[in-house]
Amino acid sequence: AQSVTQLDSQVPVFEEAPVELRCNYSSSVSVYLFWYVQYPNQGLQLLLKYLSGSTLVESINGFEAEFNKSQTSFHLRKPSVHISDTAEYFCAALPLSGGYNKLIFGAGTRLAVHP
Amino acid sequence: DGGITQSPKYLFRKEGQNVTLSCEQNLNHDAMYWYRQDPGQGLRLIYYSQIVNDFQKGDIAEGYSVSREKKESFPLTVTSAQKNPTAFYLCASSPGGTGNQPQHFGDGTRLSIL
Repeated sequence: AQSVTQLDSQVPVFEEAPVELRCNYSSSVSVYLFWYVQYPNQGLQLLLKYLSGSTLVESINGFEAEFNKSQTSFHLRKPSVHISDTAEYFCAALPLSGGYNKLIFGAGTRLAVHP
Repeated sequence: DGGITQSPKYLFRKEGQNVTLSCEQNLNHDAMYWYRQDPGQGLRLIYYSQIVNDFQKGDIAEGYSVSREKKESFPLTVTSAQKNPTAFYLCASSPGGTGNQPQHFGDGTRLSIL
């Protein structure tokens, strides 16, 4: 069975510090990988995605994630966080097994940036 | 701007009452989805539809029903059979019917029991 594990439910960090949100997946087939961000009382917004090609993907607001096939990981990083980055972050995997493929979400990591 | 509109933003249900959550998209997407979000549990798939007039049960379909009569609309009914309906409900859509495209989300409806 496929699954996505986000290793930290909450990550507190000070403003301008670096942060890493960890995500591991389990799948017997190839996957696409996504990070979504959710601000309070809002829907999810796609932050970045890995479909193929370069294993390092970047978002427009300074986040990056690296696909590591051997470690089945897709950790999200930012070298310097802002207060506005406070949100919940979801890692998701899309197994490519033919036919309809269900997007599998992790439980989420709540990032709290403190001044 | 294209997007997904969910309404209402907040909804209250009395015991034994059915309520319907609206989801409309103008992205011309074929596939639409309903998720339930509970604290600490991520998103769980309730129903999905790959094409008009067709829909499939997700992981937690019991106590819910849907219809897909139009491409742009995918309403979700929370029936009285759903014993724990208090949650945040998210609607999403994606271009492809096979689901291998990023999903776009609405801003959600928060359902509470009176």
